[in-house]
Amino acid sequence: DAGVIQSPRHEVTEMGQEVTLRCKPISGHDYLFWYRQTMMRGLELLIYFNNNVPIDDSGMPEDRFSAKMPNASFSTLKIQPSEPRDSAVYFCASSRGLAGGTETQYFGPGTRLLVL
Amino acid sequence: AQSVAQPEDQVNVAEGNPLTVKCTYSVSGNPYLFWYVQYPNRGLQFLLKYITGDNLVKGSYGFEAEFNKSQTSFHLKKPSALVSDSALYFCAVRVSRGGSYIPTFGRGTSLIVHP
Repeated sequence: DAGVIQSPRHEVTEMGQEVTLRCKPISGHDYLFWYRQTMMRGLELLIYFNNNVPIDDSGMPEDRFSAKMPNASFSTLKIQPSEPRDSAVYFCASSRGLAGGTETQYFGPGTRLLVL
Repeated sequence: AQSVAQPEDQVNVAEGNPLTVKCTYSVSGNPYLFWYVQYPNRGLQFLLKYITGDNLVKGSYGFEAEFNKSQTSFHLKKPSALVSDSALYFCAVRVSRGGSYIPTFGRGTSLIVHP
């Protein structure tokens, strides 16, 4: 398996523009997570899905952020409009069930977003 | 509140010396604990986890971690550090969110191994 795939790897955009980050989880994994990593706040969980259904989006910073998972092999994280404070590395991760929290998460390489 | 803490932002060690990266936790119920490593410009990679059983857990790349219930700690160790071990290390503990148990990550500790 190719692992978790994210695109693009790097994104530079101007304030006010729409940004869409993409993720393909590992086949057979039924949980998908979106994280944001910054120096100031560390690694933050934004939202997670189980069987394509959003379960907990309490980490999404504000209404400018939205995430979808139309099928088991694809998810998007959208920021509209983007702001400079959204600059961060965004990670997607997947896992095969959570079995009470014992399962390992597998992370993608991340998308490095810079909003000017 | 359930949480995990990594008290050191950075750990410096000479190559060949033993290393320890500290982690403490605060949870209700059974503490399922994880260590992940992040190399520059890469995603996090799983190193090891404690679920139950032996307090000493062995993982990838020669790392091990010791679960200490009385001290609520799960320190990461390696007997002999390599320069290639230099990376960012994250401790995580499962917490209940949205009806499932989700790993919550510490702030991370930067390990620098000097030649």
